[in-house]
Amino acid sequence: NAGVMQNPRHLVRRRGQEARLRCSPMKGHSHVYWYRQLPEEGLKFMVYLQKENIIDESGMPKERFSAEFPKEGPSILRIQQVVRGDSAAYFCASSQTGQDNVLTFGAGSRLTVL
Amino acid sequence: RKEVEQDPGPFNVPEGATVAFNCTYSNSASQSFFWYRQDCRKEPKLLMSVYSSGNEDGRFTAQLNRASQYISLLIRDSKLSDSATYLCVRGGSQGNLIFGKGTKLSVKP
Repeated sequence: NAGVMQNPRHLVRRRGQEARLRCSPMKGHSHVYWYRQLPEEGLKFMVYLQKENIIDESGMPKERFSAEFPKEGPSILRIQQVVRGDSAAYFCASSQTGQDNVLTFGAGSRLTVL
Repeated sequence: RKEVEQDPGPFNVPEGATVAFNCTYSNSASQSFFWYRQDCRKEPKLLMSVYSSGNEDGRFTAQLNRASQYISLLIRDSKLSDSATYLCVRGGSQGNLIFGKGTKLSVKP
């Protein structure tokens, strides 16, 4: 059981470029959560997805950010036209039921915007 | 008021010391609470769940006070390896987790 896999682990982008972060949940898990952790800050919820559906995107910035979890393949967090303030660690977590607050976290993707 | 509030620390303690962290939460309807541990530049990992009756896991004791809406974590006989950031977490709706900013602990020899 490989756990929650995130890639890339480190990503460097210049201002204005696009960043794509991928998350493969644990085997048997169909619920995915994305969190962002700014330097010296706590983890902030961004979005909750089930296969092909966005369930809760209340933590997503209104512009430039989008997420998907297609029927086949990993969940993707996409940030368009990145700015320096997007530099952060992005953690993905998966859950089997989406009900019991039992989440398994991936190792995170660290985005640096130059 | 933040959803989950913690003293950021840092707490600098010698090996063998007992240290206690508290956190407060604002949503009285919350049912589930946890302490997570996060090492530098790593993902958070579940340390223990927190129950009203209190629960203990080795050197770690967690307590929930629903009336006062606070949660505590007690670490006895601190080890160097306990150095980390401790995250107070409440369970949200739809299986989500809401994190505090964390309390940094540094255990010195």
